Amino acid sequence: QKEVEQDPGPLSVPEGAIVSLNCTYSNSAFQYFMWYRQYSRKGPELLMYTYSSGNKEDGRFTAQVDKSSKYISLFIRDSQPSDSATYLCAMSQGAQKLVFGQGTRLTINP
Amino acid sequence: DGGITQSPKYLFRKEGQNVTLSCEQNLNHDAMYWYRQDPGQGLRLIYYSQIVNDFQKGDIAEGYSVSREKKESFPLTVTSAQKNPTAFYLCASSQTGVNYGYTFGSGTRLTVV
Repeated sequence: QKEVEQDPGPLSVPEGAIVSLNCTYSNSAFQYFMWYRQYSRKGPELLMYTYSSGNKEDGRFTAQVDKSSKYISLFIRDSQPSDSATYLCAMSQGAQKLVFGQGTRLTINP
Repeated sequence: DGGITQSPKYLFRKEGQNVTLSCEQNLNHDAMYWYRQDPGQGLRLIYYSQIVNDFQKGDIAEGYSVSREKKESFPLTVTSAQKNPTAFYLCASSQTGVNYGYTFGSGTRLTVV
């Protein structure tokens, strides 16, 4: 079993929809949770960063962490075609190396 | 602007050749990483280094080699022993002792011809 599981998709939704992306993990010691966005043929860029449990909002993006369920989510409101990308979850214990999910390929259709 | 520069963007390798991918950062980060990404797959760690003159194997180090002679530079050599080298290679860096995530380069696409 992988430490971090992420549905690879692909996921296709109409413009304006609310998108929910999720990861589950097995290591209860993970404390730092991140979401990266990767456009085709580019390097991933850090989108959201959360420490421990709770919610964090940045514009149309909300990251949620539920440590009791070992489950993290990224919500995208009012999705735009420019949000079409691969989204990778990542997490770590302390200052240890990041463990990445497989990535979910998302397409927003105009 | 601070960042990570990978070069070249595209690289073609003949069977049996060694090739070296360049990665340079000016973020003053101590740690640097090399990942391989194949279509539909996540990131797989090849090598990482947390300090100059020291590096560790990742999950798929066979057929690859690295050096870390300078803090700013972490080149990756894909040797002829790597049987399936066609992939997208990503370099990343981070601070040590704290966790603010990684900064990635823009990647090198390596193709065997």
